[in-house]
Amino acid sequence: DAKTTQPNSMESNEEEPVHLPCNHSTISGTDYIHWYRQLPSQGPEYVIHGLTSNVNNRMASLAIAEDRKSSTLILHRATLRDAAVYYCILRSDRGSTLGRLYFGRGTQLTVWP
Amino acid sequence: DTEVTQTPKHLVMGMTNKKSLKCEQHMGHRAMYWYKQKAKKPPELMFVYSYEKLSINESVPSRFSPECPNSSLLNLHLHALQPEDSALYLCASSQGTGTSYYGYTFGSGTRLTVV
Repeated sequence: DAKTTQPNSMESNEEEPVHLPCNHSTISGTDYIHWYRQLPSQGPEYVIHGLTSNVNNRMASLAIAEDRKSSTLILHRATLRDAAVYYCILRSDRGSTLGRLYFGRGTQLTVWP
Repeated sequence: DTEVTQTPKHLVMGMTNKKSLKCEQHMGHRAMYWYKQKAKKPPELMFVYSYEKLSINESVPSRFSPECPNSSLLNLHLHALQPEDSALYLCASSQGTGTSYYGYTFGSGTRLTVV
C-alpha cells in the first residue's frame, strides 16, 4: 500500500491559517487523497478528499501538487476546536485494497489562543 | 440522521466473559467497518462488510467475531479476550467501498477494558 509521511506535530495561533503537509511519493494514478481528523475521545471525522484538482469545502481546502506526490490541507482560520490529530490517507480501490482505509501516524495540531 | 451510533460507550469485561459491541447507522450506507485503536496510535482496520457480507478480515483473532444482521446494524462479538485487547473500538460506515462515496462516517467508539 502507498504510504504517507506527515510531521508528528504542528502548532498554530487562533485565527491564523494552518497548512498541514503530507508527502505521498509512491501514490498511484487511482489513489485518492483523503484527510480525516480526530478530536480527543472521538472517532475520526472526514475532512476532505481529492484526486488531482484542488478541492474546497466548508471545513478546509486541499491543495494537491501537480505530480500528486504531496498535498497540503489548509485550514483558513484555525480555531481552538481545530486542535486534533490530522490524518492524510491514500485510498485505493484496486483489487484487494478495495474498501480499505489505512491510517498513518498523523499530525497533532495544537492551536494556541 | 447522519450519525453512526455505538453502544455501549464503555465496557469492562473479564477474560472469560462474552460481550457484544453494537453499531447502528440509518444513512443508507452499504459498507460498514470495525477499527481498533490503541492509545496514541492510529486506528487499525479489522473488518469490512459490503452489502451485509464480510469482504475483508484483516487476520483478526477468532475471539473477535463480527456480524451484520442487516444493512443498518453491525455487531462485534467478543469472547475470551486478553488484556492487550483493551482499546477503543470504532465503527464506521460509507455509501460503498468504491470511489463514488463522500467519506467514512465514524462513531465515537466503545472504550473496552479487559481485566
